[in-house]
This record gives sequence, C-alpha cells and structure tokens, in this order.
Amino acid sequence: AQSVTQLGSHVSVSEGALVLLRCNYSSSVPPYLFWYVQYPNQGLQLLLKYTSAATLVKGINGFEAEFKKSETSFHLTKPSAHMSDAAEYFCALDGDSSYKLIFGSGTRLLVRP
Amino acid sequence: DAMVIQNPRYQVTQFGKPVTLSCSQTLNHNVMYWYQQKSSQAPKLLFHYYDKDFNNEADTPDNFQSRRPNTSFCFLDIRSPGLGDAAMYLCATSRPDSSTDTQYFGPGTRLTVL
Repeated sequence: AQSVTQLGSHVSVSEGALVLLRCNYSSSVPPYLFWYVQYPNQGLQLLLKYTSAATLVKGINGFEAEFKKSETSFHLTKPSAHMSDAAEYFCALDGDSSYKLIFGSGTRLLVRP
Repeated sequence: DAMVIQNPRYQVTQFGKPVTLSCSQTLNHNVMYWYQQKSSQAPKLLFHYYDKDFNNEADTPDNFQSRRPNTSFCFLDIRSPGLGDAAMYLCATSRPDSSTDTQYFGPGTRLTVL
C-alpha cells in the first residue's frame, strides 16, 4: 500500500532560520511526489513536484526538496524563513490507483519574529 | 491566467437544505476532482470525473452527488447537509496525458451548516 508520513504536525522556526519539513513515503512503484502549501481559507498551491527528472527539485518562494530513494524521503527545505511562509504544508504521492493523490497529514509551519 | 475557480467562496446553509457548489476551469483539463477538507486535516477525495466518466470513492456518502455538464464546469450537490458536512470543499483539475498528473486546486468553498 502507498502512504505518506509527515513528521511533526507543527514546526516552529525563527524568521531567517532554516526551514525543514519532513516527508517519508512508501510506494511499490516509482513515485511522483508533490509539496503543496495552503494558507488560511485558501486552496492548495503547488510548491514543487518530483517527476524523476532530477533528485533536487526547486520550487516557488525559495523552497526546494530532495528525493532520496534510499531513505524514501522527500523533505522540503528553505534556507531562510520569512513571515509569509507561515502556512500548512502537505506532501503528496501520486498513487498507483488512477488519478488519486495520497496526502500526508500536513505540517503547520509557524514563523516567529 | 488559466485557473480553477470556485463559487461561492463561502456558503451558509441550513441543516437539511440542499446546497450546490460550483467549480469551473480554464485549463482545459479532462479530470476534475472534489475534495472535502475538515479543520486541521488533509483533503479527502470524494469523487472525480475523467471526461464524462464519474468515479466515486467507496466511502463517499450517498448524500454527496456531482454533475459535470461540460469540460469546464463541475458541481457538487449535497442533498441534505448535516452538521458534520461543514468543511472546506476543494475542486482540483489535472490532465493525465501530460508528463505528470499534477493536480491544480481552486481556492475552495467553505461550507457552514446551521
């Protein structure tokens, strides 16, 4: 069965500090992986996606993620947090059943001034 | 800009009173999805259309129905809303014949049931 695990329902960082949001996956087939961001009362916005072309994926707003097959991980990072990064972040896997995204439970990022 | 549009953004209905939520897209994607998202939870897929083919998730309550009259529009009908149906409803689209089946989401409709 395919699954996504996001470690830490809440992550708090200071403004200017490194952001690291963890995502581990389980998949029987080579996965497509996604990170989405959700601001309060908004839909999900695609941050970046891994499609097997390159293991280090750069996204919008200065975020990037690295696919590590040996660790079954796809952690999201940003070198320097900004107050506007405060939001909910979801890691998702393109499931083996047609047209279905498998979501992690989400991580709420808090940015302290 | 090509996009996914949801109307209304906020909807208030009464217990048991039917309600319809609307989604339209200018991306010309052939798959459209409806998700329910409750507070502090991940989105939960209710159903999707691949072109005109309707695909219901096994655990979607019968109270939820959907219509897709054409490529651009898709509707979510809740026949008799209960208090437990209060949630954010998200519409998404994708085009699976592209290199990746990336889903693009609308801004959502927040449903309140009184």
